Amino acid sequence: QKEVEQNSGPLSVPEGAIASLNCTYSDRGSQSFFWYRQYSGKSPELIMSIYSNGDKEDGRFTAQLNKASQYVSLLIRDSQPSDSATYLCAVRSTGNQFYFGTGTSLTVIP
Amino acid sequence: GAVVSQHPSRVICKSGTSVKIECRSLDFQATTMFWYRQFPKKSLMLMATSNEGSKATYEQGVEKDKFLINHASLTLSTLTVTSAHPEDSSFYICSATREGYEQYFGPGTRLTVT
Repeated sequence: QKEVEQNSGPLSVPEGAIASLNCTYSDRGSQSFFWYRQYSGKSPELIMSIYSNGDKEDGRFTAQLNKASQYVSLLIRDSQPSDSATYLCAVRSTGNQFYFGTGTSLTVIP
Repeated sequence: GAVVSQHPSRVICKSGTSVKIECRSLDFQATTMFWYRQFPKKSLMLMATSNEGSKATYEQGVEKDKFLINHASLTLSTLTVTSAHPEDSSFYICSATREGYEQYFGPGTRLTVT
């Protein structure tokens, strides 16, 4: 079982819709969770971090964490074509190691 | 967010030569730095983890004699690709982190070996 799993997509949503990206992790003791955005040919950029159960909102982005279900998600409201990218879920485990998912490719269609 | 720089951003070298890539954390002291490589349309592949002043920990399958990592200070790590060959052509990305915090990525170095 991989440490962090994501649906590779591609996920396509129309402009203005909500994009929902999901991630599950295997280490129940993990405490830190991150979402990165990576445009083609560029390095990943941190967009959200979340540490406690519930929702965390930042602009159009909302991260949701459910430690009991070992599930973390990212919602992008009012999706824009500029949101088209690969989104990487990352988890910092109890051993202080980082694990990345393989990424979900998102395309926002104008 | 924190800033991590990488230099050079792009390098072309001849087969058999060595290339050094620098990674600097500009506004924080990084307890740990990571080196990744990424092939087109593929996911990040962790190569090694380095802590300041100690030897890097390499992932399985990564040759430590080929990919030399030095983490001389809390703000600088270098990756040297020795005796580069065309199959080493890739996008190399470093990242830096403070204890308990996020990883911040550098902009990456695109290496082409001819």
